[in-house]
Parts: sequence; C-alpha cells; structure tokens
Amino acid sequence: GAVVSQHPSRVICKSGTSVKIECRSLDFQATTMFWYRQFPKKSLMLMATSNEGSKATYEQGVEKDKFLINHASLTLSTLTVTSAHPEDSSFYICSAVKAGTNEQFFGPGTRLTVL
Amino acid sequence: GNSVTQMEGPVTLSEEAFLTINCTYTATGYPSLFWYVQYPGEGLQLLLKATKADDKGSNKGFEATYRKETTSFHLEKGSVQVSDSAVYFCALRREDTDKLIFGTGTRLQVFP
Repeated sequence: GAVVSQHPSRVICKSGTSVKIECRSLDFQATTMFWYRQFPKKSLMLMATSNEGSKATYEQGVEKDKFLINHASLTLSTLTVTSAHPEDSSFYICSAVKAGTNEQFFGPGTRLTVL
Repeated sequence: GNSVTQMEGPVTLSEEAFLTINCTYTATGYPSLFWYVQYPGEGLQLLLKATKADDKGSNKGFEATYRKETTSFHLEKGSVQVSDSAVYFCALRREDTDKLIFGTGTRLQVFP
C-alpha cells in the first residue's frame, strides 16, 4: 500500500504553454500533499504545501501565479506550470501525507522539458 | 533555523566495501530523522528513519543511529553492492509540521 503516482512521467512542451502535472495517492487519502522541484545534482526544493479544500501555501520565492496548485480531493493534487519557459525545466516530485498519520510517500517524479 | 548538512559526493566504492555517509542537522526540539534513496530517474523512497535520540533505523543492510549529542544521523552499510548505487538524502522533520527538510544529497557509485 501507500502508492503515489504522478502523471505524466515526462513532458516536453513549447515555451509559453501551460503544463499540468497530476499527483494521486492510489490507496490512501491524503489531506496534505507537497510539491518539490529538484535541480540537477541538487537537493529537493519544497515549492508548496497543498491542503485539500484550501489554498496552497507557497514557500518563499515561489511564484504562486506561475505554479498553480489545486488539491481538489483527498487523493488528487495538481500542479500547473503556466506560461512555461526553459528555466522551468526540471524534475517535479510530489509527496502525500497519509491522513491521520505523519507518514509521507513520494511520487516517482515528472520530468518537464520546456523548449 | 533548521537545516541538514550532508557530505558532498560522489562517494565511489568497490563492491563489498564499507559505506559511511555523514549527516548532521540543526533543529530545535526533537525532530525525526530520515534517510531517503533515489535511484536514477525515480522518485524518493524511504530507506530508514529514527524518531528519537539513540534510536537506530535499519533497512536492507543500512543503518543509522540518532545521536542527539553530536546532532548526527550517519548512514552506514557494511558491504555495499552495485545495486546500491543511487543518491541518498538525509532529512529531518520537526515535531510540529509534516514538512521535510532535506540535505543536498550524496551520490554513491559502487563498482564491481
């Protein structure tokens, strides 16, 4: 149990377009999900905390209008990169906290390449 | 503030060698400590954890002991395998939040 999926696993898009990434907890409910960005050969940078039914909380320096987060249900959070540019190319990873616990499970990541 | 410091890699070892990856932390209170592993092209997997001082986390031959006196959580394995090649992240979680704070990661390369 405790599987988190992300879709798509890879996406290539043109500069100026928007891309939506889904994060799903497949066999548990998650009141909280986190979105991270991982730069090459570097650690994970927490972008935002997504809480079901409320607005996401963004970390300092992360543009909320650029990275739209929606946590519509207890099993789904989405990250939309709006008007993507090459500098947004990165590996985006989500995690989900199992409801009633503080156990956090990670998705496999989404590789975004903006041309 | 809260932070995690890991030794820089890459760490390059021959198969069956002994592994140590150092991790120290700065935090108020009594955080929980974690080691995550990331295989190429994949997300993070929890390797082991410890929630209080002197606890030892272990999994797949890896071990780490929560040392409050030295604020450390070093990862060790007695005999590494080629399949252990990955990036290892040390992380902490404060008592009052679900947020994880990660170190910069240490790449381990094991050669036959």
